[in-house]
Amino acid sequence: QQQVKQSPQSLIVQKGGISIINCAYENTAFDYFPWYQQFPGKGPALLIAIRPDVSEKKEGRFTISFNKSAKQFSLHIMDSQPGDSATYFCAARNTGFQKLVFGTGTRLLVSP
Amino acid sequence: SAVISQKPSRDICQRGTSLTIQCQVDSQVTMMFWYRQQPGQSLTLIATANQGSEATYESGFVIDKFPISRPNLTFSTLTVSNMSPEDSSIYLCSVAQGANEQFFGPGTRLTVL
Repeated sequence: QQQVKQSPQSLIVQKGGISIINCAYENTAFDYFPWYQQFPGKGPALLIAIRPDVSEKKEGRFTISFNKSAKQFSLHIMDSQPGDSATYFCAARNTGFQKLVFGTGTRLLVSP
Repeated sequence: SAVISQKPSRDICQRGTSLTIQCQVDSQVTMMFWYRQQPGQSLTLIATANQGSEATYESGFVIDKFPISRPNLTFSTLTVSNMSPEDSSIYLCSVAQGANEQFFGPGTRLTVL
């Protein structure tokens, strides 16, 4: 129930294309869903986050889509750039427990 | 967002020794977390450290192996004790700020020979 399943494991997208990473969860008590971006040798950086009372949140080229009934959420990177090449982690948290549960990560490569 | 620093940034240690990792935050935070990230893997929570109380450890992690101190609202340490090669990993400090946001430090890369 505490798992967050993430796919795909790796993704190659051409420059200018759309990168899509998907996550699914089981625990309906989760009420906060962040995405983190991690470059090699660095700690994860908070990219964008959503709460289940909205279906979509957009910040620049990054959009989270949230489907509460399906218990799924996804990250869309529009106009993907080589500088977006990194590992992306979705996560979920039950605010009452304050602990983040992380997905397994997606390694994104944006080819020039 | 909180600015988090960790020391050391990396270390190579001998089997059987211990290493203490420091985490410093530029603002007062209630909740601090310690994570482990094995190469190419996701993040696993080791423990939650709140100031003024004992750390809360996750399943599979024990205080004797990973003692934690939290002397004030801006600082914490994690010790990896009696190390073995299986402890080679990245150790990350994280803090919760505001109602939801959680930020990570740059990590400490540990190699145990």
